[in-house]
Amino acid sequence: GENVEQHPSTLSVQEGDSAVIKCTYSDSASNYFPWYKQELGKRPQLIIDIRSNVGEKKDQRIAVTLNKTAKHFSLHITETQPEDSAVYFCAASKGYGGATNKLIFGTGTLLAVQP
Amino acid sequence: DTEVTQTPKHLVMGMTNKKSLKCEQHMGHRAMYWYKQKAKKPPELMFVYSYEKLSINESVPSRFSPECPNSSLLNLHLHALQPEDSALYLCASSQFQTEKLFFGSGTQLSVL
Repeated sequence: GENVEQHPSTLSVQEGDSAVIKCTYSDSASNYFPWYKQELGKRPQLIIDIRSNVGEKKDQRIAVTLNKTAKHFSLHITETQPEDSAVYFCAASKGYGGATNKLIFGTGTLLAVQP
Repeated sequence: DTEVTQTPKHLVMGMTNKKSLKCEQHMGHRAMYWYKQKAKKPPELMFVYSYEKLSINESVPSRFSPECPNSSLLNLHLHALQPEDSALYLCASSQFQTEKLFFGSGTQLSVL
């Protein structure tokens, strides 16, 4: 089955710096890669996602890149702010339904943005 | 309405109690999920309902019993739980199975 590895487990940056979180997946049939942000005591929230037919997607200060050949995808946050501090989870799935299809989460990255 | 609503927010129960967790969404989503999350860990899938039918049961012990009365509601019935079942229980929904999950705020469950 699918396995998703995520690194680093913790990341501390200064406000205004960039942060990069990396994930590797094992199943080459996976084609949908979302990222979730979970603030302390809150629900996970989808912040950006990418499908395997594109290599990069941006939304303001957040971008995701996908390398299908290497089975890597990464989250990039520029100009970090204290409110970016949270746990970030990557995930992978085969997408588009299917009765046995499920989202496999990475182990999470605790991002701390120091003011 | 873009919310998934879960009740109760907190629950403390003894090992002999029976309780239910409730989840509701009015986004017209056809897939609904129960996840269990321990502190500092990713959400762990328990059950998936697609079009009101159970499509995935991740070998969850029978002391957890899901129910999907209609396309907007999802329940999780709890009976004879163990202390190790203490966790945050998250409900989620999506338009189709595995697509863009919207999570509820969860029920923090403590089993004494």
